[in-house]
Amino acid sequence: DVVMTQTPVSLSLAIGQPASISCKSSQSLLGTSGKTFLNWILQRPGQSPKRLIYQVSKLYSEVPDRFSGSGSETEFTLKISRVEAEDLGVYYCWQGTHFPHTFGSGTKLEIK
Amino acid sequence: QIQLVQSGPELKKPGESLKISCKASGYTFTDYAMQWVKQAPGKGLQYMGWINTQTGKPTYADDFKERFVFSLETSASTAYLQINNLKNEDTATYFCARGFILGDYWGQGVMVTVSS
Repeated sequence: DVVMTQTPVSLSLAIGQPASISCKSSQSLLGTSGKTFLNWILQRPGQSPKRLIYQVSKLYSEVPDRFSGSGSETEFTLKISRVEAEDLGVYYCWQGTHFPHTFGSGTKLEIK
Repeated sequence: QIQLVQSGPELKKPGESLKISCKASGYTFTDYAMQWVKQAPGKGLQYMGWINTQTGKPTYADDFKERFVFSLETSASTAYLQINNLKNEDTATYFCARGFILGDYWGQGVMVTVSS
């Protein structure tokens, strides 16, 4: 199975600060279709996960543009340009290129 | 709007079975696969597998091949997860999520507690 390694485990940031989360995969996530199926989701406390980014860098329509995704092959990054209070929760990367799909272990973002 | 609404919490004893549901609305059910994800208490997300909503064919991750069954009731736009011979380690929240790769919409989750 593809192992997804997320760092850091947690972040404690003040509102307005930037955030960066790394996600590394044990195999290339570039699929035979030429697409890279690396997604990011956010799970707020007590809620189900919500979509953020798909195929590395494509934001869903409702996601604020302070979020961005980048990377290729085995190294990916989620960035928040300026953290807001509503951004707290656990961020997961997950890959859909190889079966079984696998999730990172999560990065908990706390607001100072 | 697109919604996945799951059934309510379950309290079961070891050895029992349960079947939880995931009812889709706001889109054509058979246009997207459905996947299932497990989250043990205080833990991360674990992929269980998916079901092709056009053919009904399920595909399971290795850890979920033995006692877990994905099924559909297409006329009701509903996917089901059945867990047989429940074990303590099945205590978790189970999510359905739309799409084989995207997982763009998630159900609210079903909390399952297995305890004697």
